[in-house]
Parts: sequence; C-alpha cells; structure tokens
Amino acid sequence: QQQVKQSPQSLIVQKGGIPIINCAYENTAFDYFPWYQQFPGKGPALLIAIRPDVSEKKEGRFTISFNKSAKQFSLHIMDSQPGDSATYFCAAGSGGSNYKLTFGKGTLLTVNP
Amino acid sequence: DSGVTQTPKHLITATGQRVTLRCSPRSGDLSVYWYQQSLDQGLQFLIQYYNGEERAKGNILERFSAQQFPDLHSELNLSSLELGDSALYFCASSLYQVPHNEQFFGPGTRLTVL
Repeated sequence: QQQVKQSPQSLIVQKGGIPIINCAYENTAFDYFPWYQQFPGKGPALLIAIRPDVSEKKEGRFTISFNKSAKQFSLHIMDSQPGDSATYFCAAGSGGSNYKLTFGKGTLLTVNP
Repeated sequence: DSGVTQTPKHLITATGQRVTLRCSPRSGDLSVYWYQQSLDQGLQFLIQYYNGEERAKGNILERFSAQQFPDLHSELNLSSLELGDSALYFCASSLYQVPHNEQFFGPGTRLTVL
C-alpha cells in the first residue's frame, strides 16, 4: 500500500519555467513533509520541509504549498535552471512509536537550456 | 558530501549468497536508517537504529538483518540473495530518532545479484 502518491513521474520544462510536482497522502498522522533532491550517482539530500501548521514555505527558488484538508502538498521551483535537473522525492513522516519517512516514487525533472 | 560513508560502492554477487553493507554515520549522529531504492519500488525504508537499539521497521525482509555497533556504525546483512534484491542501498543518519530531523544520506551501495 503506497501511502504517498507522487506525480508526475517525469517532467520536462524550459529554463525559467516553473515545474510543479504534486504529492498526496492518506495517513492523517503524518506531521512532517520533506522534499529530497537526488542527482545521478548521489544519495538524496533534503531540499525543503514543511509542517502541517503552515500552508506555504519558501526557501530561495523552492516553495512548498500544503493543503491539509485535501491531504496534498506540492513543490514549485521558480525560475528553474538546468542545474535543477534531478529526481525529486516527496516524503511524509510522523512521530509516535514507529519513526519513519514514507517516500513517494519520485519525479525525474529535466530543465532544458 | 553529506558526511555519511558507505562501503562498498559496488557489490556483485550470485543468488543464494550473503553480503554485508557497512555505514558510518555523520559525526555526532545517533540514528541510522537503511533504505532500498529500486526503479519500480522507489525509495523504501527498511529499518532504523538509534544509539544501538532498533527503533523502527519498514519493509524489511526476514532474510535481511541489521545492527548498530557501540561506535555507531551500522551493518546491513542480506542473505539468501535473490535476483530481485538487486538495488541501491542507502544509509542515512540524523542526530535524533524522529523523522523530523534532517536525514543525511550516504552515496549508496549498488548491489547486483547475478
């Protein structure tokens, strides 16, 4: 059972475009929603994260929008650059007795020059 | 460089064999996580240790086991290997045991089972 659904699987944009990656979750116990960026041959690295008490968080060109009632969150990349080409993973986590992150299946983003 | 080291980088072995993957967390981090990454399943959480104790389990097969040693390095043991175990295995570490702490991923070990 996949608890975090991510779309699209792949995305191609031109330099300067605003790619949007969407995720939906089912478990209302999730209270931490990070996005990870992974370049080929490397491990994932934390990009930005949000808690459900805010609806939006910006860090540089990266913005997370969070809709608690719809159980959805998305990543927007403003003024995208070829160097942003990577695989992006959303994830969701919760505290409690079973600490873990559940990841989406990833989105391969290609930003053309 | 995340500060997390994993050895070996690549491992090629045969079905039925047993392998051990090693992970050294960032200096000061007490929590270690193991993940399996494959094309069809994405990034799957396997198991977490905190300061030597198992804290959380994910989709880890019974043929797989892990431990964290007093010096905080961790090993993931995979036995009776099958073709389907071919994947990238990542180790991550964080300061504390809750997922709200940033997890720093190592470069991974690519396992190929022939």
